[in-house]
Amino acid sequence: DAGVIQSPRHEVTEMGQEVTLRCKPISGHDYLFWYRQTMMRGLELLIYFNNNVPIDDSGMPEDRFSAKMPNASFSTLKIQPSEPRDSAVYFCASRRQGSGNTIYFGEGSWLTVV
Amino acid sequence: DQQVKQNSPSLSVQEGRISILNCDYTNSMFDYFLWYKKYPAEGPTFLISISSIKDKNEDGRFTVFLNKSAKHLSLHIVPSQPGDSAVYFCAATAAPGSARQLTFGSGTQLTVLP
Repeated sequence: DAGVIQSPRHEVTEMGQEVTLRCKPISGHDYLFWYRQTMMRGLELLIYFNNNVPIDDSGMPEDRFSAKMPNASFSTLKIQPSEPRDSAVYFCASRRQGSGNTIYFGEGSWLTVV
Repeated sequence: DQQVKQNSPSLSVQEGRISILNCDYTNSMFDYFLWYKKYPAEGPTFLISISSIKDKNEDGRFTVFLNKSAKHLSLHIVPSQPGDSAVYFCAATAAPGSARQLTFGSGTQLTVLP
């Protein structure tokens, strides 16, 4: 089975540019999570969806961040405009309801804003 | 304020010896705990979990201990192997199997020396 698929794997962009990160969850999973990993704060939950509906976006740092899930197999995390402090690894994860608390992570998108 | 804390950012252990990774939490509502392992350039993967109704859970070389009164859990790896070198994240949730998201610690980099 294919795991969680994220793209791009690496992105280097200039400050002020728009960044779009993409995620395809595991088929059949109805929860999707966006996490950010930094050295200082470890893994932080930004937002999660259940059945394509955003449930909790309290972790989204600022209005510059937005996330969408137009269908069960695709989600985007957008940063506009990007800033150097947004540089981090962004992980998408998914799980199936009733399968416990284990979530399955993608390989991450490494974002560098210069 | 971090609700899940991993106070040791790094740990080095000799191959064959025991590795002990520690995690503390502050939220008394947490009752299900997980450990994830992360290799460089990969997403975190689930390793082992424990419910608050237990104080120990074992899976091969990996054992997780939970001390609810101290709000402390630890992961023991015996014997440690070079392939265990990775970042280990502790995670907790307040409602097993529910929609509540996991809260992660900042991670501990384990290095097993050959």
